[in-house]
Amino acid sequence: DQQVKQNSPSLSVQEGRISILNCDYTNSMFDYFLWYKKYPAEGPTFLISISSIKDKNEDGRFTVFLNKSAKHLSLHIVPSQPGDSAVYFCAASVYIYGQNFVFGPGTRLSVLP
Amino acid sequence: GAGVSQSPSNKVTEKGKDVELRCDPISGHTALYWYRQSLGQGLEFLIYFQGNSAPDKSGLPSDRFSAERTGGSVSTLTIQRTQQEDSAVYLCASSLAPQETQYFGPGTRLLVL
Repeated sequence: DQQVKQNSPSLSVQEGRISILNCDYTNSMFDYFLWYKKYPAEGPTFLISISSIKDKNEDGRFTVFLNKSAKHLSLHIVPSQPGDSAVYFCAASVYIYGQNFVFGPGTRLSVLP
Repeated sequence: GAGVSQSPSNKVTEKGKDVELRCDPISGHTALYWYRQSLGQGLEFLIYFQGNSAPDKSGLPSDRFSAERTGGSVSTLTIQRTQQEDSAVYLCASSLAPQETQYFGPGTRLLVL
């Protein structure tokens, strides 16, 4: 049973528009969430994180929203750029346990010029 | 270099052979993680080290898999009697502490024929 789900395996967006990537989790103990971006033939790179004490965290073009009651988080990229084309992984953990990050299956984002 | 490095970058082996994968974490990072990404799948947690000890081995898929870390630095993941289903990208990550952001290496692509 997947504890972290990314139900859209792929997403295509026009350059300049908003990209919205969604993630759902089932374990109510999760209180720390991260997004990673992965290009082909490279390891994932950290993008942005959010803890459960917040419902929004912003870093430049990237904003993560957390809805604890719905066990849902989303990553917004505005404006989307062709260089954003990659696979995006959502990950969750129980912060005090630290190490056991659970990753979702990923969403492949394609930003079309 | 300043990042996590892994070797070899690619490994092709025959079914039944043993393979050893190496990870050099970022200097000073006490936590080290091994993940596996099979074709079309998300990241699967394998094992976590804090210093030289492995408090969480829950993700190792079978007793053919083992890992060690020496000197609080380099780690090796060993797969004995490889099977075709072991074919995957094996990713290593390190972090300053268990709760901190994980930085990933480029991965080792293993193909078992």
